[in-house]
Amino acid sequence: DQQVKQNSPSLSVQEGRISILNCDYTNSMFDYFLWYKKYPAEGPTFLISISSIKDKNEDGRFTVFLNKSAKHLSLHIVPSQPGDSAVYFCAAKKSSGDKLTFGTGTRLAVRP
Amino acid sequence: NAGVMQNPRHLVRRRGQEARLRCSPMKGHSHVYWYRQLPEEGLKFMVYLQKENIIDESGMPKERFSAEFPKEGPSILRIQQVVRGDSAAYFCASSPALAGGRFENIQYFGAGTRLSVL
Repeated sequence: DQQVKQNSPSLSVQEGRISILNCDYTNSMFDYFLWYKKYPAEGPTFLISISSIKDKNEDGRFTVFLNKSAKHLSLHIVPSQPGDSAVYFCAAKKSSGDKLTFGTGTRLAVRP
Repeated sequence: NAGVMQNPRHLVRRRGQEARLRCSPMKGHSHVYWYRQLPEEGLKFMVYLQKENIIDESGMPKERFSAEFPKEGPSILRIQQVVRGDSAAYFCASSPALAGGRFENIQYFGAGTRLSVL
């Protein structure tokens, strides 16, 4: 039962352009969402998050959008840089709970 | 301020042996979480511990796996009689306790232990 889904296993983008990574969830009890970035042989690094009471959160080149009615969120990276090449995981949690539920990840490749 | 420390980074065991994975949370963090990542999959929750207590072990396999977070020292994830299917990356995360029993939403991860079972 995959409650958090990232349907695109990979994405390739030209340097300087926008990268858009998508995530869908099924559990309406989730009300906090996070994006993590992961390089090979390293642990996930927290990037940005959003509470369900908001529809947008921005931090530098990274913006997360939440569409609660569609149970969909997206991460925008603009402009994309070669150092952004990594696997990006979407994660969700309940505010009253503890564990994170992760998607399967999207591998982003930014071409110079 | 050191991050979440996991050791060893790589662990090789033969079938039937025991594996012990260690995790020291970030300074000031009293909540520890263990996750497992199988090849080509996302991270799956295993267990959540606070000092001397297991709070949620709903993701732990019923047999051979155990976890502890003693009053002193690191959290330990123990896998007894390992099988090839236990080969995976095991990640530990930590977060601080908040006042009023609230949960910190962001968890900070260690670099992981890669377990290979021969």
